[in-house]
Amino acid sequence: GAVVSQHPSRVICKSGTSVKIECRSLDFQATTMFWYRQFPKQSLMLMATSNEGSKATYEQGVEKDKFLINHASLTLSTLTVTSAHPEDSSFYICSAQVSYEQYFGPGTRLTVT
Amino acid sequence: AQSVTQPDIHITVSEGASLELRCNYSYGATPYLFWYVQSPGQGLQLLLKYFSGDTLVQGIKGFEAEFKRSQSSFNLRKPSVHWSDAAEYFCAVYNYGQNFVFGPGTRLSVLP
Repeated sequence: GAVVSQHPSRVICKSGTSVKIECRSLDFQATTMFWYRQFPKQSLMLMATSNEGSKATYEQGVEKDKFLINHASLTLSTLTVTSAHPEDSSFYICSAQVSYEQYFGPGTRLTVT
Repeated sequence: AQSVTQPDIHITVSEGASLELRCNYSYGATPYLFWYVQSPGQGLQLLLKYFSGDTLVQGIKGFEAEFKRSQSSFNLRKPSVHWSDAAEYFCAVYNYGQNFVFGPGTRLSVLP
């Protein structure tokens, strides 16, 4: 089956620094990947749609200058949280779409101190 | 806009008992329907999906779901719950050209 990996699985950073999260499709190519944010005990909130070779499409209310998305290849999308603050602490999940299905990564727990 | 509701925020069942998790969607046409399970601190795992055809679909881990067009529902069932089924369950819908929409989730607790 289609496997999506994320790295790192956990990261702790200081306020004001930037953090990069990688999302890779391991055994397939994905022209479209998605980035979600999940708060404790809540559902997934779509942040942006990442398209290979073009700019990401951000959902309303998501700051594109704060959450930089790069989809440079058909197997890799990255999310960079710039100038992170404690309120950015969350669980970030990526997914890759193949036809009508989405395959999810295991998630990245970001803690900003 | 399409939406997905899961009326039960939290359900507790005894191990070995049957389970039904409810999911309703609002959309004019029949979307593609999914159930995912999420263990704490993990990503989402696909349990089953419905695209067309037989309205009763079988998934992994002994789960099944039934699509009822008249009720706009896609309820998840399992005849005998195991302690390892304790997790968060999300129903999702997808229409071509649009984004996936997830329900709020139902947390399942299993009593020994």
